[in-house]
Amino acid sequence: QSALTQPASVSGSPGQSITISCTGTSSDIGGYNFVSWHQQHPGKVPKLLIYDVTYRPSGVSDRFSGSKSGNTASLTISGLQAEDEADYYCSSYTISSSLVVFGGGTKLTVL
Amino acid sequence: EVQLVQSGAEVKKPGESLRISCKGSGYSFTTYWIGWVRQMPGKGLEWMGIIYPGDSETRYSPSFQGQVTISADKSITTAYLQWSSLKTSDTAMYYCARMYSTETLSGFDPWGQGTLVTVSS
Repeated sequence: QSALTQPASVSGSPGQSITISCTGTSSDIGGYNFVSWHQQHPGKVPKLLIYDVTYRPSGVSDRFSGSKSGNTASLTISGLQAEDEADYYCSSYTISSSLVVFGGGTKLTVL
Repeated sequence: EVQLVQSGAEVKKPGESLRISCKGSGYSFTTYWIGWVRQMPGKGLEWMGIIYPGDSETRYSPSFQGQVTISADKSITTAYLQWSSLKTSDTAMYYCARMYSTETLSGFDPWGQGTLVTVSS
């Protein structure tokens, strides 16, 4: 069982917006602004999409945005495209000994 | 170019030991955390642990504490993940990844290309 909870799957049609949630505790997401999101296509290396809750690395499309409310972080993808079909993982700093915790991942299907 | 290059695929038998590597280049190796992530076949990413090469401070996920050892040799800008006695359940792809920035504790980039470890009798 992962430390952060994500829905197993979400889906949307091209052009729509979808949101993936990531729920933790006050020891991780709720206590710090160190939430990140990674995208992984099948057979590929994960790619950083969002760090520090809302920031995008250079080169990441502005269709990807992050937010946080309390112990839950969210990734929103707007203007859904076929190429967005992938697995998405949240992670956060944690005050616990492991320093970092990951979510179990969410499979996004573009209908 | 900032990059992490991992060692090649391994095929081992249960009970054998193994050390895989992750060589960093193009940046100050001692000032960025490097983490290790497991991905079992068809499954999600699992956080294993992390090391700060500057002082070798190491943290482990409770799931992997005592099961693996993470280390680093800053003289050759290389991080390691090792097992003393492999199990068939250790069969997986293993990734190393660098913390994105020295000014944050979130996000990993770049990632190594992955090392496939197969444990089979």
